[in-house]
Amino acid sequence: GENVGLHLPTLSVQEGDNSIINCAYSNSASDYFIWYKQESGKGPQFIIDIRSNMDKRQGQRVTVLLNKTVKHLSLQIAATQPGDSAVYFCAESRGSSNTGKLIFGQGTTLQVKP
Amino acid sequence: DAEITQSPRHKITETGRQVTLACHQTWNHNNMFWYRQDLGHGLRLIHYSYGVQDTNKGEVSDGYSVSRSNTEDLPLTLESAASSQTSVYFCASSRGFGTDTQYFGPGTRLTVL
Repeated sequence: GENVGLHLPTLSVQEGDNSIINCAYSNSASDYFIWYKQESGKGPQFIIDIRSNMDKRQGQRVTVLLNKTVKHLSLQIAATQPGDSAVYFCAESRGSSNTGKLIFGQGTTLQVKP
Repeated sequence: DAEITQSPRHKITETGRQVTLACHQTWNHNNMFWYRQDLGHGLRLIHYSYGVQDTNKGEVSDGYSVSRSNTEDLPLTLESAASSQTSVYFCASSRGFGTDTQYFGPGTRLTVL
């Protein structure tokens, strides 16, 4: 069946190290992907997005990589800081239908150790 | 600054009561969405709207209703609250027309006793 999911439920990293959070999707028709960050007690916050005509997109300390061949999405956070501790969700859009709806993964908890 | 707000932030109610959660956005976005978030389920879509007078059911719409009388607001009503509806509820909006990034409100924590 269709699935947007994350490989690991919890990721623990040392402050200053780089973090990589992975996401798998199964629908090759998906053409838009978003990463959200959700801190405790808050709503999901947009981090970065990427369209299927791109392989890589960079933001401030974050990079999203898209591998359409294996239907894999990753979020890389450089020099991870305590403020990066949160749950990270990937989401996909089935753009061919243009419904505006997103399908969310279950989320990965990132823990940053001082 | 444009924003999306939800009220109340916390609500405790009793089984069988009608409850309405408010969502207000000032981005003039066409699309608005309601989700519930529970441990082990992630974000699940309840209802959504593409514009004034338009409403659609999501994957977990039973027991919920919405109305869209203007662009800014999409209130979510629980007709007869049940304990299974204890959850955190998030409202989101997006511009639409192929731009699917959704922006979320701060959430409402609802407890049904």
